[in-house]
Amino acid sequence: AQTVTQSQPEMSVQEAETVTLSCTYDTSESDYYLFWYKQPPSRQMILVIRQEAYKQQNATENRFSVNFQKAAKSFSLKISDSQLGDAAMYFCAYRSDAGKSTFGDGTTLTVKP
Amino acid sequence: ETGVTQTPRHLVMGMTNKKSLKCEQHLGHNAMYWYKQSAKKPLELMFVYNFKEQTENNSVPSRFSPECPNSSHLFLHLHTLQPEDSALYLCASTAGDPYEQYFGPGTRLTVT
Repeated sequence: AQTVTQSQPEMSVQEAETVTLSCTYDTSESDYYLFWYKQPPSRQMILVIRQEAYKQQNATENRFSVNFQKAAKSFSLKISDSQLGDAAMYFCAYRSDAGKSTFGDGTTLTVKP
Repeated sequence: ETGVTQTPRHLVMGMTNKKSLKCEQHLGHNAMYWYKQSAKKPLELMFVYNFKEQTENNSVPSRFSPECPNSSHLFLHLHTLQPEDSALYLCASTAGDPYEQYFGPGTRLTVT
């Protein structure tokens, strides 16, 4: 069974600074997909970024980028130029080729003005 | 807005009540999910429906009964719940593999 580990229950960052949230996973599959979701205090969870395991290039979406290390089974999220609106809980998720999703425990990010 | 709606947003019910949660998506997705999110716990997948057929039931107690009448609607029928069932119940949908899930805003359930 796949497992997803987010070792940082809480993180904080100063506004305009950069922060990296860590995520590791365990799988025996070669094809899979990885996601970072954001759940702000309003509670609607939204997708931040996704990465296909077969792609070597790290995904980037504006201020959000990932560092995908397939051999190390690591998938960290970097948020650049942090904004107050980035404050939320962030979930790392693994989706197998068969469609089964596994979520990490989440990291609560606080952005300090 | 993600295109997935859930009603009600908040629900308080006694242990002997019967209530239902509703989820609706207008995204043309073919898979729908129920998750339970408790404080300080990871998301727990409860049920998965693909093309209206239940494809996964993660050992959920029978006091939770899902229903998927069509690809756009998903219900969670609740009866004789326990206080430990108090949580945020999230619905999600996806267009299929390998696409990401679109989540609803959730229903905050409190069982008294």
